[in-house]
Amino acid sequence: DIQMTQSPSLLSASVGDRVTLSCKASQNIYKYLNWYQQKLGEAPKLLIYYTNSLQTGIPSRFSGSGSGTDYTLTISSLQPEDVATYFCQQYNSWPFTFGSGTKLEIK
Amino acid sequence: QVQLQQSGAELTKPGSSVKISCKASGYTFTSYDISWIKQRPGQALEWIGAINPGSGGTGYNEKFKGKATLTVDKSSSTAFMQLSSLTPEDTAVYYCARRIIGFDYWGQGVMVTVSS
Repeated sequence: DIQMTQSPSLLSASVGDRVTLSCKASQNIYKYLNWYQQKLGEAPKLLIYYTNSLQTGIPSRFSGSGSGTDYTLTISSLQPEDVATYFCQQYNSWPFTFGSGTKLEIK
Repeated sequence: QVQLQQSGAELTKPGSSVKISCKASGYTFTSYDISWIKQRPGQALEWIGAINPGSGGTGYNEKFKGKATLTVDKSSSTAFMQLSSLTPEDTAVYYCARRIIGFDYWGQGVMVTVSS
């Protein structure tokens, strides 16, 4: 199985900050990488698919990049409503696997 | 609008089985795979498997073979997951999710608690 490692596990930042979350795959996943946001008590929400494509309805402050084994999710200007846990997920091969998440807090 | 409505919370005993449902609406049910995903408290998401509602074809994470069985009822646009031989390690929230590229629509989740 492909292992997905996210860092940091906890991130505290101020409103308006540019925030970068990292996700590393145990092997090349050829950009087959999605990002999800999960708020407390809710189901995850798809933010970014295929590394850098913004899902419909998601604010443009969210963006994704990467290739090979290394991927990032960037929030250009952190908003209070962005407090959540963020997961990456690879779909290069079965079984689909998720990272353990980055919990994002407001400082 | 697309919705996946899951059944209610379950409290079950070790060794028993449970069957949870996921009713789809707002789109053509047979056009997209449905996956099932497990989330234990404070832990990462685990993909259990997927079913093609049109063909009934399934694919499972090896870890969940023998534990989960996925089925659908096309007449009611409902997907089902049966979990068998339950242990406390099966205590979790279980989500169904529609997959195109990413999992773009999710059910609200079902809390399954296994306790004697």
